[in-house]
Formats: sequence, structure tokens, C-alpha cells
Amino acid sequence: EAGVAQSPRYKIIEKRQSVAFWCNPISGHATLYWYQQILGQGPKLLIQFQNNGVVDDSQLPKDRFSAERLKGVDSTLKIQPAKLEDSAVYLCASSLGGVSNEQFFGPGTRLTVL
Amino acid sequence: AQRVTQPEKLLSVFKGAPVELKCNYSYSGSPELFWYVQYSRQRLQLLLRHISRESIKGFTADLNKGETSFHLKKPFAQEEDSAMYYCALETHKLVFGAGTILRVKS
Repeated sequence: EAGVAQSPRYKIIEKRQSVAFWCNPISGHATLYWYQQILGQGPKLLIQFQNNGVVDDSQLPKDRFSAERLKGVDSTLKIQPAKLEDSAVYLCASSLGGVSNEQFFGPGTRLTVL
Repeated sequence: AQRVTQPEKLLSVFKGAPVELKCNYSYSGSPELFWYVQYSRQRLQLLLRHISRESIKGFTADLNKGETSFHLKKPFAQEEDSAMYYCALETHKLVFGAGTILRVKS
């Protein structure tokens, strides 16, 4: 089966600009996750969706980050306005059920903020 | 607070040597722990989870609640084991360690 798809793969923007990332999970996976991975660190959960509802967004910087999962399938993560410290790889993952289920990761989007 | 510590950024061993990647966690509840692996130019993927008690690609990991550790071991390293390894703790979400790069030299 096809894996988790993400686009774009790379993005370079200047600070204060806006950017959006897209994720298409594995078909049938109810749970979708967005992670931020800063260089030298492990992935950090930003937001978790169960179908189209938010389960956990406690670590999402809500003043500048937003995410939605319309119709419980695809998801977009937006940053507006971007800061230098947002430079990272943004990973999308999906799983059949909740956290106890194996998470399948996408290839990631590498964001560079200049 | 829940935390996962992987003390080594890089572990370099020769082919055929034993491997132990260290992982310590901080969590007051009953932990569920995982090892994820990322090979060069590939996606992050699950290697094993402690609850399944499996050996995957020759790797095993034992949960030691007394020492709050979940070290990953393999008796004989192979060159194809070279990768980044992440230990992760499940609470209501996955908390990842910073990762250890394993380099297996020929």
C-alpha cells in the first residue's frame, strides 16, 4: 500500500513569511500526527488528530501555527509568520488507531527560514 | 515530566561486534517503549516495541523498570545496521529521545 505522502519536500522562506505543508495519510488511518524535528533532536509532537477532531495540540505554538484535517483525511499545517527557530523537518505520521498503534511516517518537509 | 534520554550521539563499532544502544526514561506510570530507526534516505520506521517481546533484525530490547532503561542490543553488528536509532516513550503521545547514530565499520 502507498505510504504517507507529504509535500513539498523542501521549502526555503524568509522570516515573517507564511508557509503551508500538506499530508496525505495511509488510507483508512484514523489518526494523523504532525511532528517538528529540529536538527540534533528527536521528533516532537505538535498536533494529533483523530479523524477530523484534535486530540492533542498542547505543544503547538498557536500564535503562529495552525493545522486542520478536513473530512478526516488530508491535513495541512501552516506557519504564519515564520521565525528563524521554525527551521526544522516537519514530519507527518498516521496510524490505524491511537498512540498504541504503530505510526507510519512520511518523508518529511525540510523548512529553512532565512 | 516524561523524558527519554539517549546518552550517546554516536556509537561506532566494527562489523561482528556487539551493539548496545542506551535508552533511559523518566515516567511515573506504566511505560510502553519503542525503538524507531531511520536508515539513510529512508523514512522513520518502527523497529520494535517492548510489549511484543520480539527480536527484529537480530535486535532485542528489555524493559528494566528498576533502572528505568530500555537498551537496544544486538550480539553481532552488520554494516546494514548503520542508521539513526530513536527510543520513544508512549504516554498519551510518543516522546522521542534525541537519537543515536550507529556506524558499523567493516
